[in-house]
Amino acid sequence: DIQMTQAPSSLPASLGDRVTITCRASQDIGNYLRWFQQKPGKSPRLMIYGATNLAAGVPSRFSGSRSGSDYSLTISSLESEDMADYYCLQSKESPLTFGSGTKLEIK
Amino acid sequence: EVQLVESGGGLVQPGSSLKLSCVASGFTFSSYNMHWIRQAPKKGLEWIALIYYDSSNKYYADSVKGRFTISRDNSKNTLYLEMNSLRSEDTAMYYCAKWGFDYWGQGVMVTVSS
Repeated sequence: DIQMTQAPSSLPASLGDRVTITCRASQDIGNYLRWFQQKPGKSPRLMIYGATNLAAGVPSRFSGSRSGSDYSLTISSLESEDMADYYCLQSKESPLTFGSGTKLEIK
Repeated sequence: EVQLVESGGGLVQPGSSLKLSCVASGFTFSSYNMHWIRQAPKKGLEWIALIYYDSSNKYYADSVKGRFTISRDNSKNTLYLEMNSLRSEDTAMYYCAKWGFDYWGQGVMVTVSS
């Protein structure tokens, strides 16, 4: 199975900060990588697909990038509504696997 | 407007069975593969099953293989998850999601406890 190693597990940050969350894939997954945002008591929301493509309705301060087997989600200027849990997901092959999650919170 | 509405959850005893449903609307259900994903309380997301649009292929996570069965009825725009031999570790919120994960249901809670 493909393992997705996500870091950090917790990320205290201030409003206006630039923040980056990373997932490392244990095998080649190409660009079959998605990022999700989940707020308490809510269903996950797709933010990025194909590693770098912004999903519909997602603010442009969010971006995705890839460097080899490392995938990153970056928020260029943190806003209060961005405080949430974030997960990566590889969909290259079954079983699909999520990263362990990152809790983004106010410092 | 795309909607996915899950139902069928509840409190059950270990070893029992339960069948979840996910009714889809707002898109051509019969053209899309569908997923089930779950999330244990205070834990991360876990993908558990995928079914192709025509039921020709089904895939499962190892944690549920042999106990859970994904199915669909395209005439009813409905996705199912039949869960057998339930264990305490199956306690979770269960979500259905459209292929591509661009739409998710609101989730349905399953609690396995004696």
